[in-house]
Amino acid sequence: QKEVEQNSGPLSVPEGAIASLNCTYSDRVSQSFFWYRQYSGKSPELIMSIYSNGDKEDGRFTAQLNKASQYVSLLIRDSQPSDSATYLCAVNEAAGGKLIFGQGTELSVKP
Amino acid sequence: SQTIHQWPATLVQPVGSPLSLECTVEGTSNPNLYWYRQAAGRGLQLLFYSVGIGQISSEVPQNLSASRPQDRQFILSSKKLLLSDSGFYLCAWSVSEVTGYTFGSGTRLTVV
Repeated sequence: QKEVEQNSGPLSVPEGAIASLNCTYSDRVSQSFFWYRQYSGKSPELIMSIYSNGDKEDGRFTAQLNKASQYVSLLIRDSQPSDSATYLCAVNEAAGGKLIFGQGTELSVKP
Repeated sequence: SQTIHQWPATLVQPVGSPLSLECTVEGTSNPNLYWYRQAAGRGLQLLFYSVGIGQISSEVPQNLSASRPQDRQFILSSKKLLLSDSGFYLCAWSVSEVTGYTFGSGTRLTVV
């Protein structure tokens, strides 16, 4: 059974700080990695995708991928209260092509 | 542009009653379609997925079934709901695993 692990949190950071969200996965041959943001009571929204080792930046968000360590992270710079949400890590299951989701990390940004 | 519609937004149903949730996608052809359930405070559980009309794969044996009568229509059903069927039901689509999934707005089902 392929697994995606995340710290459930809650992770609390002050406004303006960097929030660091981490994810590990078990399928060594996975090739596609995603971060979703889910506000309370809403559906998940895709915010970042990454496919190669290294960093990928999009505005205040940076996704980091290390395939050797089977580790994906999401950094949120200059965190805002509007970033408070649950962040879901998703990894492509190489064999079947489906996405495997982690349990999510709850982020709370305090003003 | 592609859009995904899911309805109803909320539903309260008695135990033992039937269920039918519908999802439609616009602006794309032959999408992969998925049904997920999210229990309160829990992660996403994949229930069913479909790669084409009439092609349904079940991930978890349970009280639910799915059908895909048309290319862009995906239906989740139950003949008799259980209390444990309560949750947030999400439909999603993709054209490939490389692009990730796009979710509908979800249906919050409460079985009483």
